[in-house]
Amino acid sequence: DIQVTQSPSSLSASVGDRVTITCRASHNIKSSLNWYQQKPRRPPKLLIYGASTLQNGVPSRFSGSGSGTDFTLTITNLQPEDFATYYCQQSNDIFPLTFGGGTRVEI
Amino acid sequence: QVQLVQSGAEVKKPGASVKVSCKASGYTLNKDMLYWVRQAPGQSLEWVGWINGRNGNTKYSQRFQGRVTITRDTFASTAYLELTSLRAEDTAVYYCARWSTDTIGYYYYMDVWGAGTTVIVS
Repeated sequence: DIQVTQSPSSLSASVGDRVTITCRASHNIKSSLNWYQQKPRRPPKLLIYGASTLQNGVPSRFSGSGSGTDFTLTITNLQPEDFATYYCQQSNDIFPLTFGGGTRVEI
Repeated sequence: QVQLVQSGAEVKKPGASVKVSCKASGYTLNKDMLYWVRQAPGQSLEWVGWINGRNGNTKYSQRFQGRVTITRDTFASTAYLELTSLRAEDTAVYYCARWSTDTIGYYYYMDVWGAGTTVIVS
């Protein structure tokens, strides 16, 4: 199984900050890494797929980078609506599909 | 508008079974794969299984082998997740999500999610 480890598990930030979340895969997953945002009592929302491609409608302050085993989600100019939990997910091996443990971004 | 509409919350006794539905609208369920993912309170997301909408083939997480069955009704455009022998640890929100791909079919991701169905085992 491909393990996916996210860090940090939580962070505190302010509006306008730049935030970076990292995700490490236990095996080379090329660029098959997706990022999701989840707000309380809501389903996850796809932000980025293929490590760096922004899903339609997602603000450009979100960006993703990386390949192989190390990946990064960056949020520049953090907005109030960005306070949420973020998950990475590897899609290189779908049996089993695996998610990171999540990063909670709070004020 | 593409959406997945899930059935309502369930409260079950330990040892019972639950069947959750997920109705697709705005797209054809038998065109794509559909995933089921669950999220226990305060926890991350966990893959439960998937169904291939084209042929009905299924794959399940080994954690649920023998207890989970995913089916689909193509005429009703609805998928179902059934979990048996429920225990307290199965208390979670269960999501269905469409497994989609980019225009060149290289990257895969879950782009449409249901609102989730809360299952409480107590």
